[in-house]
Amino acid sequence: RKEVEQDPGPFNVPEGATVAFNCTYSNSASQSFFWYRQDCRKEPKLLMSVYSSGNEDGRFTAQLNRASQYISLLIRDSKLSDSATYLCVVNGGIDTGGFKTIFGAGTRLFVKA
Amino acid sequence: DTEVTQTPKHLVMGMTNKKSLKCEQHMGHRAMYWYKQKAKKPPELMFVYSYEKLSINESVPSRFSPECPNSSLLNLHLHALQPEDSALYLCASSQGLTSGSPNEQFFGPGTRLTVL
Repeated sequence: RKEVEQDPGPFNVPEGATVAFNCTYSNSASQSFFWYRQDCRKEPKLLMSVYSSGNEDGRFTAQLNRASQYISLLIRDSKLSDSATYLCVVNGGIDTGGFKTIFGAGTRLFVKA
Repeated sequence: DTEVTQTPKHLVMGMTNKKSLKCEQHMGHRAMYWYKQKAKKPPELMFVYSYEKLSINESVPSRFSPECPNSSLLNLHLHALQPEDSALYLCASSQGLTSGSPNEQFFGPGTRLTVL
């Protein structure tokens, strides 16, 4: 089992659609969780950190379920500019000093007019 | 200013060359990272420095040698690389492990390395 698994994608959606990405992780001692987006031939950019209480930033909502070891990202009212690869990222547990960072394989999103 | 800079942007080198990649941040971050990213794959962690000390080495071959001269700078020295080492090399920095901090990482634009 991979340490961080994401929906394989790609997702092709029309503008204005709501799209949900899912991610699971295997290390129950993991400490921090993030969603990054990466555009073609660019560096990953932090989209948001993910907290157990859930957090929202405009059209983006992230959720963490520690019991199920599951992370999600919801994008509402998709824009053309949301087209990118979305990466689920997990920081390791205290046994690795909390620095061991594992990326999911990424889910490619295409938003079409 | 959430900026991490990397030089050079592109590098072509032969298998017998020695070169270095450089990374700099001025955010006062105490942790710095090197990643390798192949096309259509996610970044893979190579090294982590925390407070200028090597904290993680993900079993990286010795032809890659990291160095952290001070808290703002991170180098990756390259020697006797193989063509399969061609990739995008990304540097990142984070605040470090402090109470209540999620330790978010900020990435530089990367160095695109080609080994001939």
